[in-house]
Amino acid sequence: DAKTTQPPSMDCAEGRAANLPCNHSTISGNEYVYWYRQIHSQGPQYIIHGLKNNETNEMASLIITEDRKSSTLILPHATLRDTAVYYCIVRVVYSGGGADGLTFGKGTHLIIQP
Amino acid sequence: EAQVTQNPRYLITVTGKKLTVTCSQNMNHEYMSWYRQDPGLGLRQIYYSMNVEVTDKGDVPEGYKVSRKEKRNFPLILESPSPNQTSLYFCASSLSTRQASYEQYFGPGTRLTVT
Repeated sequence: DAKTTQPPSMDCAEGRAANLPCNHSTISGNEYVYWYRQIHSQGPQYIIHGLKNNETNEMASLIITEDRKSSTLILPHATLRDTAVYYCIVRVVYSGGGADGLTFGKGTHLIIQP
Repeated sequence: EAQVTQNPRYLITVTGKKLTVTCSQNMNHEYMSWYRQDPGLGLRQIYYSMNVEVTDKGDVPEGYKVSRKEKRNFPLILESPSPNQTSLYFCASSLSTRQASYEQYFGPGTRLTVT
């Protein structure tokens, strides 16, 4: 799976949009971009994923650049409960076996300020 | 409610005393997995199971055993725990791994301390 690079930490004011960047310059054509988050020692929580097109769900939006070398997770109206570590992960589309585990890096610690 | 449950949530034990951490999911998922999380090392996969009676090693399987006799349950067994197995453990499940677009659902975690 391709490697990802994220800033170690970010601040965002409550009620504003939080934009979390991720660089995945070595991504290949058969790899999805996933975002998970982990709120202090709780189990990681799936947020969103995408392959080429931008995606939106009830939690967030995912913007993937045309060359797919980077992406941005957008939390449109951040609340204090969005304070968490956010992980950007790339993973092959079809799994033919093997460990199949998600590779979590260090992620971005997003702190929402009141 | 769709969920992955783990028990116990917290456990303090002594070196060498066998223990089992249970994991159960109610979503009829084929795939289940165990991870451990340690400061500075992220989440690392211990074992996984593609379906009933099918298990395989992840990245850090030493000192652990698993079994998958029923689809919903995937217990993690430490036959002879050692202090280096002190960690935060997560169980996860997903519908399948044949297509990576399926998200993984994680349990709440089990914090294990081995003295």
